[in-house]
Amino acid sequence: DAKTTQPNSMESNEEEPVHLPCNHSTISGTDYIHWYRQLPSQGPEYVIHGLTSNVNNRMASLAIAEDRKSSTLILHRATLRDAAVYYCILRDILTGGGNKLTFGTGTQLKVEL
Amino acid sequence: DTEVTQTPKHLVMGMTNKKSLKCEQHMGHRAMYWYKQKAKKPPELMFVYSYEKLSINESVPSRFSPECPNSSLLNLHLHALQPEDSALYLCASSQPGQGRAGELFFGEGSRLTVL
Repeated sequence: DAKTTQPNSMESNEEEPVHLPCNHSTISGTDYIHWYRQLPSQGPEYVIHGLTSNVNNRMASLAIAEDRKSSTLILHRATLRDAAVYYCILRDILTGGGNKLTFGTGTQLKVEL
Repeated sequence: DTEVTQTPKHLVMGMTNKKSLKCEQHMGHRAMYWYKQKAKKPPELMFVYSYEKLSINESVPSRFSPECPNSSLLNLHLHALQPEDSALYLCASSQPGQGRAGELFFGEGSRLTVL
């Protein structure tokens, strides 16, 4: 399974942008980059995913390096509700259907007033 | 309806007990998953079912026995567990396939304590 490396923790002030980095130097050509986050006492929730091009959705933006060996999740205006563990994951598609998500250690994001 | 429902939310059991965790989804997803999460650690994949057939068993001890009776239900049968099996057990579902359809929807988990 391809691995990802993320900083253990990051801090941000409310209403400021946050850039969460992820390294995945062993990524293969067919691996999708997925981001999930886990709020306290909840299951993980999907944030965004991409393959090669940068992606935007209502929650965040994903910037993918040209060589695909790293990516950055961008929260444009952090709020207190964004305090969570953010996981960068390389998704394996299973032959029989389904997706294998292997979670790394993730980044604990702290947001302060 | 975009929910994955897990029951019970909390379970305390002795090492000789037999219990089950249940997971239900009505999103028409055909892939379902069990993950185990210890405190302050990331979720670890245990089992994957695709079209009601077991497609991945991540070398999980036989005291954990998964079952997928139909496309909406996933069970995890527990027997002769050890205290170190205490953890949050997360169920998830997804549509098999690529792209956006590959998103996993997670339940809130069942917190298991083995005495």
